Amino acid sequence: GAVVSQHPSRVICKSGTSVKIECRSLDFQATTMFWYRQFPKQSLMLMATSNEGSKATYEQGVEKDKFLINHASLTLSTLTVTSAHPEDSSFYICSARDRVVTDTQYFGPGTRLTVL
Amino acid sequence: GNSVTQMEGPVTLSEEAFLTINCTYTATGYPSLFWYVQYPGEGLQLLLKATKADDKGSNKGFEATYRKETTSFHLEKGSVQVSDSAVYFCALRGSPGQNFVFGPGTRLSVLP
Repeated sequence: GAVVSQHPSRVICKSGTSVKIECRSLDFQATTMFWYRQFPKQSLMLMATSNEGSKATYEQGVEKDKFLINHASLTLSTLTVTSAHPEDSSFYICSARDRVVTDTQYFGPGTRLTVL
Repeated sequence: GNSVTQMEGPVTLSEEAFLTINCTYTATGYPSLFWYVQYPGEGLQLLLKATKADDKGSNKGFEATYRKETTSFHLEKGSVQVSDSAVYFCALRGSPGQNFVFGPGTRLSVLP
């Protein structure tokens, strides 16, 4: 089946630094990708929706200047957490919608970010 | 708006026990319903889905039937295994172009 990869799977950084997380669709093209955040023992919270070649749409309460999203190609979206702080520590999951089979959405394995 | 409610966990069962995780939803129109599973330290994997009323989704021994009259999509398995220990999320999507709405998740622990 289709696969969505994320890199890195885990990252530890110092407070104040920026971290980039990549999300790739490996065997399909994705015009739309989604970024979720999951706090410990909680459900997924949609952060933003990105469409290839256009600006991302952020959910209410999500700071667009803090969580920069770039969807430069049909197979790659990146999430950059800028000036990270300990409260940004979380599990970030991306999801990609198949361009052809639009009712199908695949989830990546997630990236665990720890900010010291 | 659309919403999903799941039974609160954690649920702890012995191996080979019967499993039911309740899920009810609120939505306008005719949403598609999903169960996703998240194993420790991993992302979400689609377990099963149903796209219209009375459809039954099934996979790996798990089943769920789309009940429009009770707005429910309960997950069942006749005999759980230790390897089924995970967090299970019920979700809906109003239409193919809409975002998923996830329930809070139910943690299942199966003891040998």
